[in-house]
Amino acid sequence: EPEVTQTPSHQVTQMGQEVILRCVPISNHLYFYWYRQILGQKVEFLVSFYNNEISEKSEIFDDQFSVERPDGSNFTLKIRSTKLEDSAMYFCASSIQAREQYFGPGTRLTVT
Amino acid sequence: SQQGEEDPQALSIQEGENATMNCSYKTSINNLQWYRQNSGRGLVHLILIRSNEREKHSGRLRVTLDTSKKSSSLLITASRAADTASYFCATDKGNKLVFGAGTILRVKS
Repeated sequence: EPEVTQTPSHQVTQMGQEVILRCVPISNHLYFYWYRQILGQKVEFLVSFYNNEISEKSEIFDDQFSVERPDGSNFTLKIRSTKLEDSAMYFCASSIQAREQYFGPGTRLTVT
Repeated sequence: SQQGEEDPQALSIQEGENATMNCSYKTSINNLQWYRQNSGRGLVHLILIRSNEREKHSGRLRVTLDTSKKSSSLLITASRAADTASYFCATDKGNKLVFGAGTILRVKS
């Protein structure tokens, strides 16, 4: 069964460093998303992406964040200058229509 | 506004018992979805119910939706230890899902 994959599974970085989180969505899906979950808290929407552009973003998704689909398979989330409060699980999701979203296993980002 | 708030926050049952989790939301929806998350893992899509549906089944899962009360319930029948996880409802809002805080289900064997 096709699934969303994410790499790395765990990323440790120092405050102020740039990180890129990678996702490979399900191949025939057209809508792509990033969510995050701070430990013990709700899953929060960050951004949705369709037709090579951002379709919606949350207040969390400020100028420090960017997304890209550099080729036909990868979908990346870049955090330009990480802060301690960016420590969280980051989930990528994809969907064929804007309905059932299929989530990857997540990347645990730890900012020290 | 808060969407998709679950109750109870935590539920502990014996294997073989049924587990019921509830979700309430505030604004109109196109559909409501339930997800499971095992500790420290990703979210697994369980079931989607459309706003014009009242009940849906998938294996041991039964989901109901009452749009007049803006609430949904997830029933897991004949629970197993492997059902131990957090369960979230999520409502669609434009291009995104809005998740509740979840119910932590523990099934004791």
